Amino acid sequence: AQKITQTQPGMFVQEKEAVTLDCTYDTSDQSYGLFWYKQPSSGEMIFLIYQGSYDEQNATEGRYSLNFQKARKSANLVISASQLGDSAMYFCAMRLLSGTYKYIFGTGTRLKVLA
Amino acid sequence: SQTIHQWPATLVQPVGSPLSLECTVEGTSNPNLYWYRQAAGRGLQLLFYSVGIGQISSEVPQNLSASRPQDRQFILSSKKLLLSDSGFYLCAWTTGVYGYTFGSGTRLTVV
Repeated sequence: AQKITQTQPGMFVQEKEAVTLDCTYDTSDQSYGLFWYKQPSSGEMIFLIYQGSYDEQNATEGRYSLNFQKARKSANLVISASQLGDSAMYFCAMRLLSGTYKYIFGTGTRLKVLA
Repeated sequence: SQTIHQWPATLVQPVGSPLSLECTVEGTSNPNLYWYRQAAGRGLQLLFYSVGIGQISSEVPQNLSASRPQDRQFILSSKKLLLSDSGFYLCAWTTGVYGYTFGSGTRLTVV
């Protein structure tokens, strides 16, 4: 069965430091996509970064990078130089590349950046 | 440009009342459309998805239904709300090339 696991319900990080949010996934499909979304208190879902299952290099988007270890089925999000505005809920998601493009979401990690 | 509109933003409804949440997409054709629900402090649960007009797939048996009367319109409904229907409802779309684009969400409180 397909599943996303985020084992850190809450994390604290000091401003300007880096933080890693963990995500492991389970699927028997060979083709899939992994996403990270940020959800501030307003509730909107903001796309951060994407990694395809066939991508050999780790994805990067500004201060965000995805540490993709396919053999371990992990897709951790690394935020460098944390800012106060990074405080939010973070969701890892997996998209199966079938016609329905359904996502499976993890339970999320609440990140608090400390001044 | 491609946009997604979802309304209302907040809703307080009594138990047993009907519900209608609407989502419309602009700037694209034949999108896949999705309704997700997020209970307080929890992850997102897929409720319904649609790959075309009139085509609705349900992921979770529940008190809700969905309809897609037009290509870019997706409606979530209930005839009689339950307390357990409270939550944050998000509409999303994709054409498959890129990831989801989410609406701004509706916060539903059933009292």
